[in-house]
Amino acid sequence: AQTVTQSQPEMSVQEAETVTLSCTYDTSESDYYLFWYKQPPSRQMILVIRQEAYKQQNATENRFSVNFQKAAKSFSLKISDSQLGDAAMYFCAHSGAGSYQLTFGKGTKLSVIP
Amino acid sequence: GAVVSQHPSRVICKSGTSVKIECRSLDFQATTMFWYRQFPKQSLMLMATSNEGSKATYEQGVEKDKFLINHASLTLSTLTVTSAHPEDSSFYICSARPPGQAPGGYTFGSGTRLTVV
Repeated sequence: AQTVTQSQPEMSVQEAETVTLSCTYDTSESDYYLFWYKQPPSRQMILVIRQEAYKQQNATENRFSVNFQKAAKSFSLKISDSQLGDAAMYFCAHSGAGSYQLTFGKGTKLSVIP
Repeated sequence: GAVVSQHPSRVICKSGTSVKIECRSLDFQATTMFWYRQFPKQSLMLMATSNEGSKATYEQGVEKDKFLINHASLTLSTLTVTSAHPEDSSFYICSARPPGQAPGGYTFGSGTRLTVV
């Protein structure tokens, strides 16, 4: 079974600053993927970044990057140069390599302060 | 890009009636679609996996007879909430993975807010 834990229900960051959202997971899969999804007030789920577990290099997408610590089962998201449009719920998620199913964490609500 | 269209976006129904929610993949074929339920300020909980041409696979604790799923074509899956009650009020979201997308490359519908009065 897979579990995804986000221990920060809410976070806030000043505009243009950097913030890190935490996520830990547990999995029985030997090969798997980890994701961060963003859900803005519109409720539309948007994929922010994806990490393949077999890759040691941390994934980056423009201002978004992850710190993937496989042994510690930790997968944090760093948002640099925060913008007002980054305000949203952020969900960490896991998927086994052979599965189409996503397991989500409970989410972190990020507020961006102008 | 790939689009999943979900309708209606909001629906209010009376207790005891049934409500159908549609999820369409507009520019790709989806042999598998997923239905999630999201309670206020909560995460997405997978309810069932919808498979084209076969029965849906329900997660533990999800009532098959209450949440009827039909995936009759490669572009359409429907979720029918039967004999709805106020506790069924929630936000329902569907998703699908376009062919060729890496795992996790799901496209989500915009969700349906169901209110049962």
